[in-house]
Amino acid sequence: RKEVEQDPGPFNVPEGATVAFNCTYSNSASQSFFWYRQDCRKEPKLLMSVYSSGNEDGRFTAQLNRASQYISLLIRDSKLSDSATYLCVVSEGADGLTFGKGTHLIIQP
Amino acid sequence: DTGVSQDPRHKITKRGQNVTFRCDPISEHNRLYWYRQTLGQGPEFLTYFQNEAQLEKSRLLSDRFSAERPKGSFSTLEIQRTEQGDSAMYLCASSLTPGGAVHTDTQYFGPGTRLTVL
Repeated sequence: RKEVEQDPGPFNVPEGATVAFNCTYSNSASQSFFWYRQDCRKEPKLLMSVYSSGNEDGRFTAQLNRASQYISLLIRDSKLSDSATYLCVVSEGADGLTFGKGTHLIIQP
Repeated sequence: DTGVSQDPRHKITKRGQNVTFRCDPISEHNRLYWYRQTLGQGPEFLTYFQNEAQLEKSRLLSDRFSAERPKGSFSTLEIQRTEQGDSAMYLCASSLTPGGAVHTDTQYFGPGTRLTVL
């Protein structure tokens, strides 16, 4: 059975802090990895793809550890607007994308 | 707005009725996906099309569900004899993919159709 596991949170974090999420996936044959962001009652939107070498986009850094089958997302200098649900997403080459249940992040002023 | 659009945005129906949803993907996107999302869960894959061909169907897609993309542009998802368990947000996504089976390209999601079955 294909699974993507995330801590649902919520993570309550003060504005300006650094926060990190992890996600584990069960299928070692998984090929592509993503973080999507979903605001309340809105559609998911791609935040960033995750590459084996790690990648950074502004305040966001994503890492992939294939040996341990986990993906991480780091948010630095968190903003109030970062409050959302962060979905870990894996593609296994079939059956579309497999989403985790999401991690709920609340940035507090 | 040139994003993915879905219609209707909300649908309330009685158990046993049939419902149909429409999705218009981003123009020239060749792949179109349907997902279902319930409260507290991530989206779950239902099916996808490459142009007009339906290439994959999840085991979640029971025989009461049918999807079409007749001209390789818009798609419809029909649910027959709706049940209360069908209540969910139905999301459509599209992508531009050169080919192959791996879903590596960015999927752009529509706003969803929220179905409530009474």
